[in-house]
Amino acid sequence: GESVGLHLPTLSVQEGDNSIINCAYSNSASDYFIWYKQESGKGPQFIIDIRSNMDKRQGQRVTVLLNKTVKHLSLQIAATQPGDSAVYFCAENKDAGNMLTFGGGTRLMVKP
Amino acid sequence: DAMVIQNPRYQVTQFGKPVTLSCSQTLNHNVMYWYQQKSSQAPKLLFHYYDKDFNNEADTPDNFQSRRPNTSFCFLDIRSPGLGDAAMYLCATSFSAYGYTFGSGTRLTVV
Repeated sequence: GESVGLHLPTLSVQEGDNSIINCAYSNSASDYFIWYKQESGKGPQFIIDIRSNMDKRQGQRVTVLLNKTVKHLSLQIAATQPGDSAVYFCAENKDAGNMLTFGGGTRLMVKP
Repeated sequence: DAMVIQNPRYQVTQFGKPVTLSCSQTLNHNVMYWYQQKSSQAPKLLFHYYDKDFNNEADTPDNFQSRRPNTSFCFLDIRSPGLGDAAMYLCATSFSAYGYTFGSGTRLTVV
């Protein structure tokens, strides 16, 4: 079936470097995408979202890029900090279904 | 602050003994969800309430039930927990299709 998936299960970066976490989705009808950060033992925390009528959205130190042509979503974190270490999930929402479908998650490890 | 609150944070139950997890929200969101998350996996939707309308995922076992007595509260009932039901259970809310907010989760251990 259609799903949301990620390319890399683990990403290790040096503190201060930029991080890029990727996500592929297969449901072309998805119109809303969210990136979540989940620290150990906690619930997912909203980072940034983007709607399908946009291809880029920026927040504080984070940028989400959406490429609908190849059904690809990425999260860029600038100047990665130790506090950014967590598992990152992308999620998609299709029209009025009110259901988020999560990707498999990428663990980001920040080396001091 | 407005939020989604799950109680308890940790729950230990015996194999086969019914257990109830609770979720409350102060966001006045009309949709409430229950997700199951096993170790190193993505959250998996069990069911959701759109207002009072219950929507069950096709692959959610009958062992899992839910109640939403009012807008603010939603409960997850596991009738006969098995070892395979040990997981983190996440409650989330949204206003229609947006504004998803997650609680901190309840970690369920089955002994």
